[in-house]
Amino acid sequence: GAVVSQHPSWVICKSGTSVKIECRSLDFQATTMFWYRQFPKQSLMLMATSNEGSKATYEQGVEKDKFLINHASLTLSTLTVTSAHPEDSSFYICSAIPGRNTDTQYFGPGTRLTVL
Amino acid sequence: DAKTTQPPSMDCAEGRAANLPCNHSTISGNEYVYWYRQIHSQGPQYIIHGLKNNETNEMASLIITEDRKSSTLILPHATLRDTAVYYCIVRDNFYGGATNKLIFGTGTLLAVQP
Repeated sequence: GAVVSQHPSWVICKSGTSVKIECRSLDFQATTMFWYRQFPKQSLMLMATSNEGSKATYEQGVEKDKFLINHASLTLSTLTVTSAHPEDSSFYICSAIPGRNTDTQYFGPGTRLTVL
Repeated sequence: DAKTTQPPSMDCAEGRAANLPCNHSTISGNEYVYWYRQIHSQGPQYIIHGLKNNETNEMASLIITEDRKSSTLILPHATLRDTAVYYCIVRDNFYGGATNKLIFGTGTLLAVQP
């Protein structure tokens, strides 16, 4: 149980284009999802907290107009990197909390974004 | 900022127990200790968590000192597939909202040797 998937697993795009990454909870409903970013040889950095049906809460220094988060249902959150540039190339990872009776986060496999 | 201190790397022989230490001297009474691991180019995997009692599950054991200022994650019989970065994280355990955030430190790279 508590499986989280991400799609795509990797994506290459041209500078200036937008890229959407999906995060799905496969066997549970997730009231809260999180988005992280990880650069090579670094640790995970939390970008934002996403609650179903409400606006995401962004961490300090994360541009909310550049990283659009939509948590439209209890099983799906999307992260859209708008007008991507090479410095946005990174490993993007989501996590989800299954329901209201636990707070353990379960992580997706990650999405490798490369912006040319 | 991460509230934990871990050694940057450790080696362990295959089949032996791996003991990964973590210092969290500023932990407060309502904060839990969580352990995750991340195998290269994958998302983190939940291992175990605890408050003050020792915990054991199918993956590992968690030993928390009586003063709660440090803990040890024990993998009883390490295999090559246990090679990963292990993260020790302390956080509040209130359900819902921003308090569920996990702040990752740099972790310990455990290399299991054949």
